[in-house]
Amino acid sequence: EAQVTQNPRYLITVTGKKLTVTCSQNMNHEYMSWYRQDPGLGLRQIYYSMNVEVTDKGDVPEGYKVSRKEKRNFPLILESPSPNQTSLYFCASSRGTTRDTQYFGPGTRLTVL
Amino acid sequence: DAKTTQPPSMDCAEGRAANLPCNHSTISGNEYVYWYRQIHSQGPQYIIHGLKNNETNEMASLIITEDRKSSTLILPHATLRDTAVYYCIVRDNQGGKLIFGQGTELSVKP
Repeated sequence: EAQVTQNPRYLITVTGKKLTVTCSQNMNHEYMSWYRQDPGLGLRQIYYSMNVEVTDKGDVPEGYKVSRKEKRNFPLILESPSPNQTSLYFCASSRGTTRDTQYFGPGTRLTVL
Repeated sequence: DAKTTQPPSMDCAEGRAANLPCNHSTISGNEYVYWYRQIHSQGPQYIIHGLKNNETNEMASLIITEDRKSSTLILPHATLRDTAVYYCIVRDNQGGKLIFGQGTELSVKP
């Protein structure tokens, strides 16, 4: 089954404790992206990757890192999480950019205390 | 900033057609219009997309005006499971991101 998976689905952590949210897709997609969703602000892009070893900042990249060492994986790294990073996070992938459908993962609900 | 404008909420009777409007007056010539929906806090689900011509698939129809400044998503026979937030989106040419607005919360009622 074609899908985007994220782990963990739920995470409660404390300020400053490094964490990684994994994202994997099995569709051989070149484009992958991370979004965060907050009440009243909608979904905002954090980082995206056009292909392996190619990443770029989205609208809200501060406090996040990503890597794209393999085509299928695009982990989101929070080196020193803070409470304002409490949010619902979605990973998405697509074959290409402008004209291709993005498929979203199920989401990761992160709480930083 | 969001490039689309949608009504914040709409109601629809079960079994009737749901027509969701969207304005995207600043859309550029090679930007596609996409529709996604989000049920509760699940990942957004793709519905349909188009450039100029009207499109139809197993889920919905998309009507795009000739000047491309607005579109309408049509769910022909809405069911209770279609209750969701529907997002009309244009996709950025450069970074490929989906520029989400606030969406329309569609409530399908028995």
